[in-house]
Amino acid sequence: QLQLQASGPGLVKPSETLSLTCTLSDFISSRSDYWVWIRQPPGKGLEWIASIHYRGNTYHNPSLKSRVTISVDTSKNQFSLKLSSVTAADTAFYYCARSRDGYNSFFDSWGQGTLVTVSS
Amino acid sequence: EIVLTQSPATLSLSPGERATLSCRASQSVGSFLGWYQQKPGQPPRLLIYDASNRATGIPARFSGSGSGTDFTLTISSLEPEDFAVYYCQQRSNWVTFGGGTKVEIK
Repeated sequence: QLQLQASGPGLVKPSETLSLTCTLSDFISSRSDYWVWIRQPPGKGLEWIASIHYRGNTYHNPSLKSRVTISVDTSKNQFSLKLSSVTAADTAFYYCARSRDGYNSFFDSWGQGTLVTVSS
Repeated sequence: EIVLTQSPATLSLSPGERATLSCRASQSVGSFLGWYQQKPGQPPRLLIYDASNRATGIPARFSGSGSGTDFTLTISSLEPEDFAVYYCQQRSNWVTFGGGTKVEIK
């Protein structure tokens, strides 16, 4: 069974860049799978951030696109997220997940999530 | 952006009762709607995809229906492990989620 593990700093200062990495237990180079970041502020709902294919095709939530960079490292079976110019509103649990059959399919495998707090 | 509105916000029921959760889209999403269950401290788990298809390993007491703008998730007889928050998600136009329905023990 596929496992995903998100990792990165749990505390980021306002205006700085949040950086997270998701490591897969299996090969990332699946023909149809996309790899996804989703976030959830504590006690609130879910927000899709971006998706990436192992060949590098990317899709971003239009509301976050100007601040988001998503990338993939097939040699390490990892994909990463960078979110620039963070504010307190970016405090959230960040999940990495798999989207089968397209960048915006349904998400059938999720990592446990990592809490990132934006605070000085 | 397609907005998904879930109702009710909270559903108070007893084990064994039937739960009916609603998700309404601001414009048609066809059948491109899914449902997730989330328990405290855990990531969401996919229950239903494409409106009515159960994901792998999901018990038959969970069923989904609807198309266009109105969708329903039904839990035929609540088990103790079903008390959780449920989210709908559309994939017709980008990806958006509903605000969630909490199913709590009455």
